[in-house]
Amino acid sequence: AQSVAQPEDQVNVAEGNPLTVKCTYSVSGNPYLFWYVQYPNRGLQFLLKYITGDNLVKGSYGFEAEFNKSQTSFHLKKPSALVSDSALYFCAVRDYMDSSYKLIFGSGTRLLVRP
Amino acid sequence: GAVVSQHPSRVICKSGTSVKIECRSLDFQATTMFWYRQFPKQSLMLMATSNEGSKATYEQGVEKDKFLINHASLTLSTLTVTSAHPEDSSFYICSARVSGRENTGELFFGEGSRLTVL
Repeated sequence: AQSVAQPEDQVNVAEGNPLTVKCTYSVSGNPYLFWYVQYPNRGLQFLLKYITGDNLVKGSYGFEAEFNKSQTSFHLKKPSALVSDSALYFCAVRDYMDSSYKLIFGSGTRLLVRP
Repeated sequence: GAVVSQHPSRVICKSGTSVKIECRSLDFQATTMFWYRQFPKQSLMLMATSNEGSKATYEQGVEKDKFLINHASLTLSTLTVTSAHPEDSSFYICSARVSGRENTGELFFGEGSRLTVL
């Protein structure tokens, strides 16, 4: 089965500094990888995805992620953090189970951006 | 973009009553929808896969008689928590997959429903 791991429960960064939220994956075959963000008491919002092509994927709200096959990583990045970026971030991978494609989510990383 | 509407956003009910949560795809057809449960400060736990016109597929450990799922049309799936108890209090989130784009795995999420059972 496919899986993703988010090694950090929380990431703290000062506003204006670059941020990185880590994700590593374990898949057989080519990975389909996703990042979602969740604000308090809200559903998940899609940020970006990697299916194929350029290893650097650009997404919503200025976020980007770099697919690194040798390190099996898909870290989320942003050059300059905003206080409004504070939220819960989930990495996910597509898996095929029970005759259906499903998303398997990581444990989530809480991002806290200090003013 | 694809929009998923979930209703109600918050519901408080007495123990023993049943609560229905609706999930609608507003601008696309969704043959498949998914229901998740999220506990405080935890990740999403997939409860079941809802398939239009057929029975839902439940994940291991999820009681199908407790959490009734109906997917009667290509734009609507409902989750009914039957005989709710305080331990059913949680944040329930639905998601939908655009019909014809199943292989991408991409999902669009509702805003979630917070259930509180007194």
